[in-house]
Amino acid sequence: GAVVSQHPSRVICKSGTSVKIECRSLDFQATTMFWYRQFPKQSLMLMATSNEGSKATYEQGVEKDKFLINHASLTLSTLTVTSAHPEDSSFYICSASTGYYTGELFFGEGSRLTVL
Amino acid sequence: QQQVKQSPQSLIVQKGGISIINCAYENTAFDYFPWYQQFPGKGPALLIAIRPDVSEKKEGRFTISFNKSAKQFSLHIMDSQPGDSATYFCAAGEDQAGTALIFGKGTTLSVSS
Repeated sequence: GAVVSQHPSRVICKSGTSVKIECRSLDFQATTMFWYRQFPKQSLMLMATSNEGSKATYEQGVEKDKFLINHASLTLSTLTVTSAHPEDSSFYICSASTGYYTGELFFGEGSRLTVL
Repeated sequence: QQQVKQSPQSLIVQKGGISIINCAYENTAFDYFPWYQQFPGKGPALLIAIRPDVSEKKEGRFTISFNKSAKQFSLHIMDSQPGDSATYFCAAGEDQAGTALIFGKGTTLSVSS
């Protein structure tokens, strides 16, 4: 399947700092990327939909000023958690669509954020 | 978000047995139903997917059964192996690029050797 890479895989930061997570589609161009959040032993919750060259669309309840999403190119989307707090600690996963006519999604390996 | 209800929450199966996980959806616009497998600390990996033009799809030991009228679909894992122990998520969405998937809550499968 298509390869989606996330970096970093793990990050620990102090409360109040900002953290950037990168999501890259390595062997295809992704017009749309999605960011999900997953708490331990829970499901994936969609945070936002990121379209290349335009503003991200956030799901209800997701603070767009806290979770900044940028999709500057067809192969890169970034999620920046601003002024992180311990409650932001979670597993963040990006995904990308490979095709023009299919909803098939491939996921990155995820990024584990721990805010102290 | 439209819900996707998944059951059971956890499942223990003996090696060689059949694992069955069920999902139900609400939105009749959904026409793409994938199953993902996730190991601890890893992202979900696409396992198998079905579209409503067929009622069943089989890939190796994995089979999806789909009932459009009941808005239900299920994953069957035949000859379950310890290596199949993982969390399985069903998902549903519209089969077009640029649309997000809605995930079920997941089923933790443990296959005992």
